[in-house]
Amino acid sequence: DVKVTQSSRYLVKRTGEKVFLECVQDMDHENMFWYRQDPGLGLRLIYFSYDVKMKEKGDIPEGYSVSREKKERFSLILESASTNQTSMYLCASSSYGRGTDTQYFGPGTRLTVL
Amino acid sequence: EDQVTQSPEALRLQEGESSSLNCSYTVSGLRGLFWYRQDPGKGPEFLFTLYSAGEEKEKERLKATLTKKESFLHITAPKPEDSATYLCAVLGGGSNYKLTFGKGTLLTVNP
Repeated sequence: DVKVTQSSRYLVKRTGEKVFLECVQDMDHENMFWYRQDPGLGLRLIYFSYDVKMKEKGDIPEGYSVSREKKERFSLILESASTNQTSMYLCASSSYGRGTDTQYFGPGTRLTVL
Repeated sequence: EDQVTQSPEALRLQEGESSSLNCSYTVSGLRGLFWYRQDPGKGPEFLFTLYSAGEEKEKERLKATLTKKESFLHITAPKPEDSATYLCAVLGGGSNYKLTFGKGTLLTVNP
């Protein structure tokens, strides 16, 4: 079974703090993704990575950065957290090609910025 | 730009009352259509991937079908444990592995 894990289920931070969200997958997937999910807005892609050290911006990258130093690990960084970044953050991974390109999601991190 | 519209937004059923959820899409070259189930406070759980019009897949009380414009998730004789939000997403030919999601259908099954 595919397993995607995220470092925290719940996180509370203060405005201006630097925040790290970690994601690890154990299926040797090439692609990894970070989304945020908000009521009424659905899932929105922040960043994705298709290889180690490679990244591409998604729909809402402002205020975020990412790091992928190892194939299995993808980190989302909030350089200076703001209250409008309070959200549910979801990590996903997938492989290439028809039949293997399904994205599998982690359990999510509920981040609250005070 | 790829678009996905799910209907209805919310659906309330009695246990055993079969129904269908709809996912309409516009995409440039469909590479795949995906159905997920999401429980409150959790990440989406993968259900099905469909690749070609006419394709069908089943899992327990759920059956997903695909046409060139829409997909249906049929729920037969639902149980209360089927209550969840069901998400539909498409992967288009012009995207870099980027899924476009619908807003979801919140299904509630009453005992």
